[in-house]
Amino acid sequence: GAGVSQSPSNKVTEKGKDVELRCDPISGHTALYWYRQRLGQGLEFLIYFQGNSAPDKSGLPSDRFSAERTGESVSTLTIQRTQQEDSAVYLCASSLYQGYNQPQHFGDGTRLSIL
Amino acid sequence: GQNIDQPTEMTATEGAIVQINCTYQTSGFNGLFWYQQHAGEAPTFLSYNVLDGLEEKGRFSSFLSRSKGYSYLLLKELQMKDSASYLCAVRGGATNKLIFGTGTLLAVQP
Repeated sequence: GAGVSQSPSNKVTEKGKDVELRCDPISGHTALYWYRQRLGQGLEFLIYFQGNSAPDKSGLPSDRFSAERTGESVSTLTIQRTQQEDSAVYLCASSLYQGYNQPQHFGDGTRLSIL
Repeated sequence: GQNIDQPTEMTATEGAIVQINCTYQTSGFNGLFWYQQHAGEAPTFLSYNVLDGLEEKGRFSSFLSRSKGYSYLLLKELQMKDSASYLCAVRGGATNKLIFGTGTLLAVQP
C-alpha cells in the first residue's frame, strides 16, 4: 500500500509477556518514528531512526523497550516483561527525510492492552 | 524544558469559524505543525509554519508568531466531519524532534 502500515492493529497480552510491534514505512522514506499515545493524551515520542540508525532514543521509557530497523525499511518495537502501564496506542510515522519541513505520515497504530 | 499548551476541548457550530490556539516554549525552533486526528485513527498532516504569518489552505489556515511562541489554526465553514482532535507539534530541541501538545478536541454541532 501507499501508506504507513502497522501490525498487529490490536494486541491483548498478559502482564509479564514480551510483545513485538511492526511498522512498514512508506517506500523511500528514510526517517521513521515511534510514538506512544495513552487514552486522552498527546503523542509521546519514543525513538527516531534515520536509515537503520537511531540518533535519538531519548523517549524510550525504560530498558524494557527497544527498537530496531533493518534494510532502511521495516522497524520493530519490542516491549519486554510488559506492565499494565504499557497499555496505549503505539503509532509509527515516516517522513521522506529528517528535514525541518517534512511532515510525518502516520500509520493507524497498534492498540496494546496489558491484562 | 519544552512545553506546548492547547485548550483541551472546544465546541463550535456547523458553518461557523473556530480558532484553536497553541502556545509553546522550546529550546530551539524549526517549525510548527498542525495535525488532525479523528477518534481511533492516525493523525493526518494539516499545515506547517516556520516563518511568521498566515498560511492558508482552503478552509484551514495556520498562523505563527515566533516572538510570542504562539500559533493558531483557523477552521472556516465548519462541517460536521471537522469534529476531531487537533494536535499542535513543534520541531525543536537538541535533536530536532517533534514535540506534540495534548491536542484540542473540537466538537462541531448542528
